[in-house]
Amino acid sequence: QSALTQPASVSGSPGQSITISCTGTSSDVGAYNYVSWYQQHPGKAPKLIIYDVSGRPSGVSNRFSGSKSGNTASLTISGLQAEDEADYYCNSYTNTNTFYVFGTGTKVTVL
Amino acid sequence: EEQLVESGGGLVKPGGSLRLSCAASGFTFSNAWMSWVRQAPGKGLKWVGRIKSKPAGGTTDYIEPVKGRFTISRDDTKNTLYLEMNSLKAEDTAMYYCTTVFLGHYEGNWGQGTLVTVSS
Repeated sequence: QSALTQPASVSGSPGQSITISCTGTSSDVGAYNYVSWYQQHPGKAPKLIIYDVSGRPSGVSNRFSGSKSGNTASLTISGLQAEDEADYYCNSYTNTNTFYVFGTGTKVTVL
Repeated sequence: EEQLVESGGGLVKPGGSLRLSCAASGFTFSNAWMSWVRQAPGKGLKWVGRIKSKPAGGTTDYIEPVKGRFTISRDDTKNTLYLEMNSLKAEDTAMYYCTTVFLGHYEGNWGQGTLVTVSS
């Protein structure tokens, strides 16, 4: 089971919106709504920011939103802030013996 | 406040063994499903496996590369999760994170991780 495909990097200016894509297959992203996103600052543990494609855990800013179309999920960060500079990983349940597959990761840079 | 603290990482030779621990506090550990996720240096995240709560059957699932070598277990009397790793390979070198499982499918809360290095 290969990792889900994400762009290596995305950048934007403060206040702008950016979108990170996460492309899978009909065995994972396309088959289930068990899609999540994690934010990881350098040297820190990841943090869950989106679950069930578009749900936000308590305490997560509403500037983060998720969606899905076919085999591709997306994370949008609106009103980009300096603190959003981090690595972002998508994840999906898969009907293979891998159970859960992460994306390749995207480094977000705030210009 | 939920807290997870991993320990037990270190340097081990190929073919060796190591047991990681994850001490949990701030929630009802016995009802929690728990997972291990690893991250090789400079690389992405990989789900390793999980253990369900005993009320949910206490069963375990693993990714293929570690099946038969790694064992996840739990001691609900000590609020502690374990990852027993045997026949370690260089490719097992990674930061290992324990996590709580949120809504059955998501890594809800993460520990700070413990680094395992497999090298001769």
